[in-house]
Amino acid sequence: EDQVTQSPEALRLQEGESSSLNCSYTVSGLRGLFWYRQDPGKGPEFLFTLYSAGEEKEKERLKATLTKKESFLHITAPKPEDSATYLCAVQNTGNQFYFGTGTSLTVIP
Amino acid sequence: DGGITQSPKYLFRKEGQNVTLSCEQNLNHDAMYWYRQDPGQGLRLIYYSQIVNDFQKGDIAEGYSVSREKKESFPLTVTSAQKNPTAFYLCATKDRSSYNEQFFGPGTRLTVL
Repeated sequence: EDQVTQSPEALRLQEGESSSLNCSYTVSGLRGLFWYRQDPGKGPEFLFTLYSAGEEKEKERLKATLTKKESFLHITAPKPEDSATYLCAVQNTGNQFYFGTGTSLTVIP
Repeated sequence: DGGITQSPKYLFRKEGQNVTLSCEQNLNHDAMYWYRQDPGQGLRLIYYSQIVNDFQKGDIAEGYSVSREKKESFPLTVTSAQKNPTAFYLCATKDRSSYNEQFFGPGTRLTVL
């Protein structure tokens, strides 16, 4: 069965303390892996799409990487405004989407 | 200004009532989706539509109904048959290409009193 597991569930960082969020997936055939940011009470905001192992994408302090079994969202020198829940999702070759439960990130000034 | 709008932002319903959540998009995307989000759970698919006048059930369609009469609109009705309707409801759209990501609206929080 296709599924996505994110870890840790919650992460507290000091401002400037870099870290990584993990997204492990099992999928029958990967069409794409997606990262979203979600603020409380709002809809998810699209960040990145990764299509194949070895691919990397960057946006400001965020960098997403992909292997055949997992993806990492690296956060470099985070700021308080990076505090949010980060969601990972995969799309299989049947065009079905599966979402993880998210990692809640808190960056402390 | 392109985007996805959902209304209302907050909705309160008495038990036994049907309510309809609105989702409108001007992105010209073919596919539209409804998800439900509960604390500690991933997004769960309720219904989706790839083209006008056609839609399919997702994983948790029981107690919900949809229509797709226009490309821009995909309303969701939460019926009295839905046993636990209190949740955050998200509408998403996706372009025709199979390799494209979904984009989400701002959500509607439904509370059953």
